[in-house]
Amino acid sequence: DTGVSQDPRHKITKRGQNVTFRCDPISEHNRLYWYRQTLGQGPEFLTYFQNEAQLEKSRLLSDRFSAERPKGSFSTLEIQRTEQGDSAMYLCASSPGTTAGELFFGEGSRLTVL
Amino acid sequence: AQSVAQPEDQVNVAEGNPLTVKCTYSVSGNPYLFWYVQYPNRGLQFLLKYITGDNLVKGSYGFEAEFNKSQTSFHLKKPSALVSDSALYFCAVRDGGNNRLAFGKGNQVVVIP
Repeated sequence: DTGVSQDPRHKITKRGQNVTFRCDPISEHNRLYWYRQTLGQGPEFLTYFQNEAQLEKSRLLSDRFSAERPKGSFSTLEIQRTEQGDSAMYLCASSPGTTAGELFFGEGSRLTVL
Repeated sequence: AQSVAQPEDQVNVAEGNPLTVKCTYSVSGNPYLFWYVQYPNRGLQFLLKYITGDNLVKGSYGFEAEFNKSQTSFHLKKPSALVSDSALYFCAVRDGGNNRLAFGKGNQVVVIP
């Protein structure tokens, strides 16, 4: 399967702990996106990379959130000092290098903060 | 900022009947419009998009959508619904000048056998 892969698929953690999610995009895609989806809502944009450069960040991305894409390939999203409100599905998507290109989504990483 | 409205929470339709899922959008520039489908425990799958050209676009699984600039709408349609079309459908819009894709809240489609 050469689609977008995310790991782990499900993470349960206690409030205050740090968590990290990994995304491996489709190999020839230079654009990578992180979205967050809560129950009953559509995905909300968090951040966007073109190659290794983080070009856009949403105001939803508080100081506790950080994302990296160190070599322009895989990306990580870290959440520090998790809160119960962080419980959501974190989606990664990639796309080829045009703004008209559709996004290809992974199956998501579900975070449950107890 | 761009936004999408999907006014109905759930759409129920009998198998074999036409299916319509409504979407209206708001952008400041030229809209790039997309429809995605999400099946349980699966990632979002791309169905179709409108960038420019013919207002009627055709996509996967027999779906099509009509772009209407004057009504700022991009409704998803299928002439004859299947039970397997039961899923969550999302409309999304991007302002042509940026990289951020904004999604609606989604519509649950239930096709009744």
